[in-house]
Amino acid sequence: QSALTQPASVSGSPGQSITISCAGTSSDVGSYNLVSWYQQHPGKAPKLLIYEVNKRPSGVSNRFSGSKSGNTASLTISGLQAEDEADYYCSSYAGSRTVVFGGGTKLTVL
Amino acid sequence: QVQLVESGGGLVKPGGSLRLSCAASGFTFSDYYMSWIRQAPGKGLEWVSYISSAGTTIFYADPVKGRFTISRDNAKNSLYLQMNSLRAEDTAVYYCAREAGYNVYHFDYWGQGTQVTVSS
Repeated sequence: QSALTQPASVSGSPGQSITISCAGTSSDVGSYNLVSWYQQHPGKAPKLLIYEVNKRPSGVSNRFSGSKSGNTASLTISGLQAEDEADYYCSSYAGSRTVVFGGGTKLTVL
Repeated sequence: QVQLVESGGGLVKPGGSLRLSCAASGFTFSDYYMSWIRQAPGKGLEWVSYISSAGTTIFYADPVKGRFTISRDNAKNSLYLQMNSLRAEDTAVYYCAREAGYNVYHFDYWGQGTQVTVSS
């Protein structure tokens, strides 16, 4: 159950687009279209942003989008806003009823 | 509205025990699979354990197998995590989270978390 690999930090200016990668293996990201993304503001609980690779829950802005290629998933945030500054985590089903998370990426809006 | 409220965290010595609770409201608790997920200080999220809606199917992450026990009481709309033989590395904020559906493996509602600190 190794953690998925995310960049420790990314940054962007308001209005720009950024992409956060999430590298897994053929046993998790590569095998299942069950990748999710969560946003966490300091001191708050995580919030579901994307599920099943590219689906958005009701109420989540369409500025957030997800994709997957091989063993790597990605989260793209377009039209960056100050309120997007937060930590972002990916997760994937890893078989045998287990879920693995990424180490998290801190997004700074410059 | 859906609410998940954890309690039971605190400071405990290595080797000690603690029982966490999660009170659910705003949805039919007995219809949903539930999980405990933790976050060590300054670290990422780590899935800990899962329990099916009826409580008949349970899984644990390797680091807690044999030490933690997940359970639920659907009559009381409550989820529990009994933690024994606690170690320093179990120090974390523990969240209860609702799985959005059957075998979907993503979590649509989370509690605010309860802090567990294991230290002598």
